[in-house]
Amino acid sequence: NAGVTQTPKFQVLKTGQSMTLQCAQDMNHNSMYWYRQDPGMGLRLIYYSASEGTTDKGEVPNGYNVSRLNKREFSLRLESAAPSQTSVYFCASGAGFNEKLFFGSGTQLSVL
Amino acid sequence: SQQGEEDPQALSIQEGENATMNCSYKTSINNLQWYRQNSGRGLVHLILIRSNEREKHSGRLRVTLDTSKKSSSLLITASRAADTASYFCATRRVDTGRRALTFGSGTRLQVQP
Repeated sequence: NAGVTQTPKFQVLKTGQSMTLQCAQDMNHNSMYWYRQDPGMGLRLIYYSASEGTTDKGEVPNGYNVSRLNKREFSLRLESAAPSQTSVYFCASGAGFNEKLFFGSGTQLSVL
Repeated sequence: SQQGEEDPQALSIQEGENATMNCSYKTSINNLQWYRQNSGRGLVHLILIRSNEREKHSGRLRVTLDTSKKSSSLLITASRAADTASYFCATRRVDTGRRALTFGSGTRLQVQP
């Protein structure tokens, strides 16, 4: 099993550019999440999806949009990137809200 | 604001010693989880303790939970250089609308060989 797969691993954008981060899981999990991690800090929740067809805002949703394309895939879109969005982005999935999460290896994004 | 706060922020010990990390949180929880992150990697789940449990063991890991003090501790016994990583606590809150895991800022553990 691949687990949680994120693409790309690295990305450099110019201010104002757009991009989509892709995430797919092969564990048949209902819940999927996008977090960002800034240096020396913990993870902050951007958006999550409790099940296919539903999405909810997390702690820091401004500047982002998400799509739960199907049960496997949950994408994160930056419509107009800003330097404040320079961060490492992690996708995660879980079988249910009270279970453990499985994380992808992260996307390191730099916005110049 | 952060739901979970780890203490200390950084810890350096010698191989073979025990490492203890603490986590405090603010609101009622369903469960508390500990995760490990090696440099440049994603988080890996270590252990989950439910709100009605007081202690849990997994190999060299021991986790305690005190819901009256809203705190948890993670003990790693007989530490190894390979335990060098950041450790995060995460809580599943019970209040309405907060059903996803909330992470603390982590403890950076350095185990000297």
